Amino acid sequence: SAVISQKPSRDICQRGTSLTIQCQVDSQVTMMFWYRQQPGQSLTLIATANQGSEATYESGFVIDKFPISRPNLTFSTLTVSNMSPEDSSIYLCSVGGDFNTEAFFGQGTRLTVV
Amino acid sequence: QKEVEQNSGPLSVPEGAIASLNCTYSDRVSQSFFWYRQYSGKSPELIMSIYSNGDKEDGRFTAQLNKASQYVSLLIRDSQPSDSATYLCAVNRGSGTYKYIFGTGTRLKVLA
Repeated sequence: SAVISQKPSRDICQRGTSLTIQCQVDSQVTMMFWYRQQPGQSLTLIATANQGSEATYESGFVIDKFPISRPNLTFSTLTVSNMSPEDSSIYLCSVGGDFNTEAFFGQGTRLTVV
Repeated sequence: QKEVEQNSGPLSVPEGAIASLNCTYSDRVSQSFFWYRQYSGKSPELIMSIYSNGDKEDGRFTAQLNKASQYVSLLIRDSQPSDSATYLCAVNRGSGTYKYIFGTGTRLKVLA
């Protein structure tokens, strides 16, 4: 399985600001995925990041709010923009999970917006 | 109807007992199924994957899949307090699609 490093592990941010979360993988992967897990809830896919193309967003998530970069096959960032308290969640980077393969997760970023 | 349904629990079992966790899914074309364990404050950790009908065993864990009934389960034998966590069922439609659909998870408490 891939080793996935995600940072920051946690942050407390002021409303109206933005936070960029980084995800580094120890091997080249085609797809990287960003999930959100709100308190007491399960995982919801935000978007899929492919290298060399724009991210594909799931229903309810938009690029202006969650811009994603995928500059190469081992790295991706997710930005949470213009944050509000409702954005307080755990954000998870994931690799694998394409074409029936198993998905693995980074350590997660616990975001609190005050 | 949710795409992947799990009983939220908590499911409480005594130490040494068998814990049985269940999951149903709505999309008949789903092809791959996964169980993840998530400790509080941690990210999900893959426990088992299963792709064909029947049982798949790995140590104390057995995954069971019945595609006709759209049902997948996880059995944990000789449950230990360290097994206390939330167990997430995930389903992937396969056939070139990649999207995982997660259930809401079942919280398991193993009582010492």
